[in-house]
Amino acid sequence: DTAVSQTPKYLVTQMGNDKSIKCEQNLGHDTMYWYKQDSKKFLKIMFSYNNKELIINETVPNRFSPKSPDKAHLNLHINSLELGDSAVYFCASSLRTSGRRETQYFGPGTRLLVL
Amino acid sequence: AQSVTQLDSQVPVFEEAPVELRCNYSSSVSVYLFWYVQYPNQGLQLLLKYLSGSTLVKGINGFEAEFNKSQTSFHLRKPSVHISDTAEYFCAVTRGGGTSYGKLTFGQGTILTVHP
Repeated sequence: DTAVSQTPKYLVTQMGNDKSIKCEQNLGHDTMYWYKQDSKKFLKIMFSYNNKELIINETVPNRFSPKSPDKAHLNLHINSLELGDSAVYFCASSLRTSGRRETQYFGPGTRLLVL
Repeated sequence: AQSVTQLDSQVPVFEEAPVELRCNYSSSVSVYLFWYVQYPNQGLQLLLKYLSGSTLVKGINGFEAEFNKSQTSFHLRKPSVHISDTAEYFCAVTRGGGTSYGKLTFGQGTILTVHP
């Protein structure tokens, strides 16, 4: 009964490659997020989608492109991977209630290593 | 914009001792506050949250936190820790009020190590 799941859990790839990370939630939530956790464990939001509409787009290189085919899925595609992209990427979801969508539930993370 | 400062990067403590992990925030608007825990090589798990009402909130695993608006703090406490509480703890804040895009701003994390 996984709530927020991500695939793959680990991803090792070469510089310059293109890769995708997938996220799915079965909580019935309408908002999904991508966060990046760097090597110092600092967590920063990248994107957020509400009902397939982009609502948060932080300063992220345009090599990163999120895509939400439906409100239960949010994928992250990364083009031309760089060494600095190595990090743990977390997906999260929340439900908008009375205009608030504050309580977020996180997936297990995808550990990306770019060589 | 809001920011979060976790004052201690590492907190070592002996088993069954009490612990307090400190968190201060800054914001020009009302906020919602959260504590998350991350066990080694795992995702983030919500421990507790403050949205409104009572300033003392209780969470899972015996943790509690107190919202202090005048001191802009949201410190996490547990009266008696276990070895299994060894993990990294993150304080987070998001804009409060009627409209929230849910943009969480995290602190730098505090590594709690419980020794036998």
